[in-house]
Amino acid sequence: QKEVEQDPGPLSVPEGAIVSLNCTYSNSAFQYFMWYRQYSRKGPELLMYTYSSGNKEDGRFTAQVDKSSKYISLFIRDSQPSDSATYLCAMTLSGGYQKVTFGTGTKLQVIP
Amino acid sequence: GAVVSQHPSRVICKSGTSVKIECRSLDFQATTMFWYRQFPKKSLMLMATSNEGSKATYEQGVEKDKFLINHASLTLSTLTVTSAHPEDSSFYICSAREQGRDTEAFFGQGTRLTVV
Repeated sequence: QKEVEQDPGPLSVPEGAIVSLNCTYSNSAFQYFMWYRQYSRKGPELLMYTYSSGNKEDGRFTAQVDKSSKYISLFIRDSQPSDSATYLCAMTLSGGYQKVTFGTGTKLQVIP
Repeated sequence: GAVVSQHPSRVICKSGTSVKIECRSLDFQATTMFWYRQFPKKSLMLMATSNEGSKATYEQGVEKDKFLINHASLTLSTLTVTSAHPEDSSFYICSAREQGRDTEAFFGQGTRLTVV
């Protein structure tokens, strides 16, 4: 079993739709959770960073963490064509020296 | 947010030559930086953890003599691909977390290496 599981998609939605992206993980020691957006041939760009269970909102993005279920989600409201990218969930242990473990990424396409 | 700068963004080299890629944290210090490799349509594969002032820690299957990592200061790590082969052609990305803080990881822009 992989440490982090993420549906690779591709996921295709119409403009304005609500998008739900999800990851599950097996290591209960993970404490920090991140979502990155990666456009083709670019480095990943941090979207959301959360620590505790619950919701965190930033503009059209909401990150949700459920540590008891080992499940995290990213919601995108009013999706735009510019949101078309690959979304990577990531998580890590406490400590700046700890490596970050990534999901495989979900490719999202928002159709105008 | 914090900035990690990676250089060059794109490089083409001949087989057998060596290529150096730089990763700099511009507005924070990082005792640890990470080097990843990404194949087309695949996720990031951690190659090694770069530690300032000490040897890098390589992931299983990564040749340390081929992928030389030097973390000379708290803001700079370099990855040198030695005796490059066409199969080394890939997208290489570095990331860093701020020293002493449990912050998020910030990524460089990536380097597209093509070995011909």
